[in-house]
Amino acid sequence: DADVTQTPRNRITKTGKRIMLECSQTKGHDRMYWYRQDPGLGLRLIYYSFDVKDINKGEISDGYSVSRQAQAKFSLSLESAIPNQTALYFCATSSTSGSERDEQFFGPGTRLTVL
Amino acid sequence: AQSVSQHNHHVILSEAASLELGCNYSYGGTVNLFWYVQYPGQHLQLLLKYFSGDPLVKGIKGFEAEFIKSKFSFNLRKPSVQWSDTAEYFCAVNPHGAAGNKLTFGGGTRVLVKP
Repeated sequence: DADVTQTPRNRITKTGKRIMLECSQTKGHDRMYWYRQDPGLGLRLIYYSFDVKDINKGEISDGYSVSRQAQAKFSLSLESAIPNQTALYFCATSSTSGSERDEQFFGPGTRLTVL
Repeated sequence: AQSVSQHNHHVILSEAASLELGCNYSYGGTVNLFWYVQYPGQHLQLLLKYFSGDPLVKGIKGFEAEFIKSKFSFNLRKPSVQWSDTAEYFCAVNPHGAAGNKLTFGGGTRVLVKP
């Protein structure tokens, strides 16, 4: 089973709709992240979370919100979707200790299209 | 804030050719450096990482990268590519001790290997 999962994998929605993207992990990591990927721009950080009680804005947080429901779950919401939020969204996790320290592990991505 | 530049957006080469992808970053302090690969339709996977020590780092699938501190560069190389190396490659940086281990990604380089 995959360590980092995302649902849905694909979503088409209309402008103005509220959308939630979900991320779950079984790696036991404390840190989780949401990125969006756009062609030629790489991945840009939307929000990140140190733990359940610690949420931080990334470089492009406007128009997004997040919820860390548990250590293993980190959801991204678009309160009122707009077409320029059409992108590929990735969740990632990382740990601050062990051999995988500071390496980020990515989910399979959610392709979101806003019409 | 740090930034990462990948100068080649698209690279096309034949099997058995050598590959070198450039990555330059701007940050005055000590950094951790990463190369990730994204195969078609898949999530990002770590190829290799550099934290400290020997500036020549070997990763999976025959890839290696060299950290040149004076040039703020971390170029990725593979002596002989295969068709299966067709993918998008991302360089990423995070400063030592950065809160939340925030990675800054380059814009990516799409590599097409012709059989």
